[in-house]
Amino acid sequence: GQQVMQIPQYQHVQEGEDFTTYCNSSTTLSNIQWYKQRPGGHPVFLIQLVKSGEVKKQKRLTFQFGEAKKNSSLHITATQTTDVGTYFCAGLRSNDYKLSFGAGTTVTVRA
Amino acid sequence: DTGVTQSPTHLIKTRGQQVTLRCSPISGHKSVSWYQQVLGQGPQFIFQYYEKEERGRGNFPDRFSARQFPNYSSELNVNALLLGDSALYLCASSPDLNYGYTFGSGTRLTVV
Repeated sequence: GQQVMQIPQYQHVQEGEDFTTYCNSSTTLSNIQWYKQRPGGHPVFLIQLVKSGEVKKQKRLTFQFGEAKKNSSLHITATQTTDVGTYFCAGLRSNDYKLSFGAGTTVTVRA
Repeated sequence: DTGVTQSPTHLIKTRGQQVTLRCSPISGHKSVSWYQQVLGQGPQFIFQYYEKEERGRGNFPDRFSARQFPNYSSELNVNALLLGDSALYLCASSPDLNYGYTFGSGTRLTVV
């Protein structure tokens, strides 16, 4: 079955620094979605990437979809305390529209 | 416009019992999916319904079943509860099959 892997599992960041989290799928995806879950909360949709090589930005967040549509990355610049939480990528298969989540990258921020 | 609503928010059940969880999607959303999230892990896919038909099922035993009603609301049933079924159960809706999901706040199920 489809596997969606995320690294790193944990990211400890100094406030103001940048970091990147990576997502890889064992199969080609129809699209890839990113979600953020705050401690004690539920996943909140951030963005969806559909096209090969697509890059989208949301303020300090930059999302990229690989050329082969099997990998993705999320880059956060100038990390703030509001960025604390777990970031999940989720890959949508084109044959059955099953959305599979990675294990997430949990981000903590040192002030 | 209200978001995805789930009930109950918390539930404590005994091993062997049965439980029904309920979900109301955002108005106009035709797709409803159920996920199980264990602490420290990503959501695991259980079921997806679209236009009242089951479109996908994850690697869960037959003790898990679900359905979608004509008004697009959905129920998840779990029979013969095990301790390992303790988790946050999330319902998510989307307008169609290719869109991002809006998740509800979840039902926290504890099996003792």
